[in-house]
Amino acid sequence: QKEVEQNSGPLSVPEGAIASLNCTYSDRGSQSFFWYRQYSGKSPELIMSIYSNGDKEDGRFTAQLNKASQYVSLLIRDSQPSDSATYLCAVNLKTSYDKVIFGPGTSLSVIP
Amino acid sequence: EAGVVQSPRYKIIEKKQPVAFWCNPISGHNTLYWYLQNLGQGPELLIRYENEEAVDDSQLPKDRFSAERLKGVDSTLKIQPAELGDSAVYLCASSLDMGQHAAKQYFGPGTRLTVT
Repeated sequence: QKEVEQNSGPLSVPEGAIASLNCTYSDRGSQSFFWYRQYSGKSPELIMSIYSNGDKEDGRFTAQLNKASQYVSLLIRDSQPSDSATYLCAVNLKTSYDKVIFGPGTSLSVIP
Repeated sequence: EAGVVQSPRYKIIEKKQPVAFWCNPISGHNTLYWYLQNLGQGPELLIRYENEEAVDDSQLPKDRFSAERLKGVDSTLKIQPAELGDSAVYLCASSLDMGQHAAKQYFGPGTRLTVT
């Protein structure tokens, strides 16, 4: 089992819809979870971090964490064409709290 | 505030040639990372520095890759000799220690290496 897994996509949603991106991880002791956005040809950009179970909202973005299910998700409300990018989930390892493993990313396409 | 700076942005070399990448982290960030990213995959850690000390280099192919971070600021990653399979984007990131939580990492623009 890979340490961090994501649906590879591509995920296509119409403009204005809610995009839901999912991530599962294998290390039950993980404590820190991040979502990065990466536009084609660009470097990853941090958009959300979450450390506790539940929801964390920042503008149109909501991160959801369920440690019991080892699941973290990112919801993008009112999706815009500018949200079209690859979204990377990153999770730290229990064995080294500061070591973060990135998932393969999910490609999102928002259709006008 | 200036972000992470990397150079060069692009590099094309022939196999067996040496190549070096440079990174200047965000001012004040004590931790510096070098990642490799292949197309369609997430970044994979090569080496992590805390100040001048390499605290995690388990994924660095030490037969051909080397890195240094003199004075705990700038860093250089070198490949010698380069192989065709080294073609990828090399990303540098930096972060500030956040204590009990993993740090938020900020990435530079990357160096796209093509080995022919």
